[in-house]
Amino acid sequence: DTGVSQDPRHKITKRGQNVTFRCDPISEHNRLYWYRQTLGQGPEFLTYFQNEAQLEKSRLLSDRFSAERPKGSFSTLEIQRTEQGDSAMYLCASSLAGFASTDTQYFGPGTRLTVL
Amino acid sequence: AQTVTQSQPEMSVQEAETVTLSCTYDTSENNYYLFWYKQPPSRQMILVIRQEAYKQQNATENRFSVNFQKAAKSFSLKISDSQLGDTAMYFCAFASPAIGAGNMLTFGGGTRLMVKP
Repeated sequence: DTGVSQDPRHKITKRGQNVTFRCDPISEHNRLYWYRQTLGQGPEFLTYFQNEAQLEKSRLLSDRFSAERPKGSFSTLEIQRTEQGDSAMYLCASSLAGFASTDTQYFGPGTRLTVL
Repeated sequence: AQTVTQSQPEMSVQEAETVTLSCTYDTSENNYYLFWYKQPPSRQMILVIRQEAYKQQNATENRFSVNFQKAAKSFSLKISDSQLGDTAMYFCAFASPAIGAGNMLTFGGGTRLMVKP
């Protein structure tokens, strides 16, 4: 088990450009989460997948953000027309959950986005 | 809405001593889970300890233990025999299966802990 991986680890882009991040969860984990963390703050929930279905989205997730998890394996988070306020660390987490349980989430190393 | 508050932005402790990090939360749910996560300077979030609200016994993991006071909505973390490797940001987090579909975590603002040699 290699843990949750994220790619790239760092991304610098110019305002207005589109960026895409990838997350590979722990094998067999059926839940996948995206969080955003700004400097000195705790992570904030963005969205959540159960297998390939996106079941929850935060109000923080504007129309410029889209996430997918095709085939219930890896996930991508795309930000269109980036703004300077999008600069943050984007964290991915995965968990294995049964029905009506609260699982433990395991985090990846994150992708640090800097929008110039 | 659930909120998690960590009132100590920064703390320091001498190596081998004990330190307690505070966390309070607000919820109307009765079934929930609380977590402490550690984020070292390399920034990978690591689970330290987990507590189920229905359990009266406080969780322990080696040098880490919690003091869970459900009525007071308090969930403090005690680190015994502090080691230099404990230097990190510590986040308290809350989750409830009754809220949303996926047990998303609500985090506090974090406490930066520095262990001094």
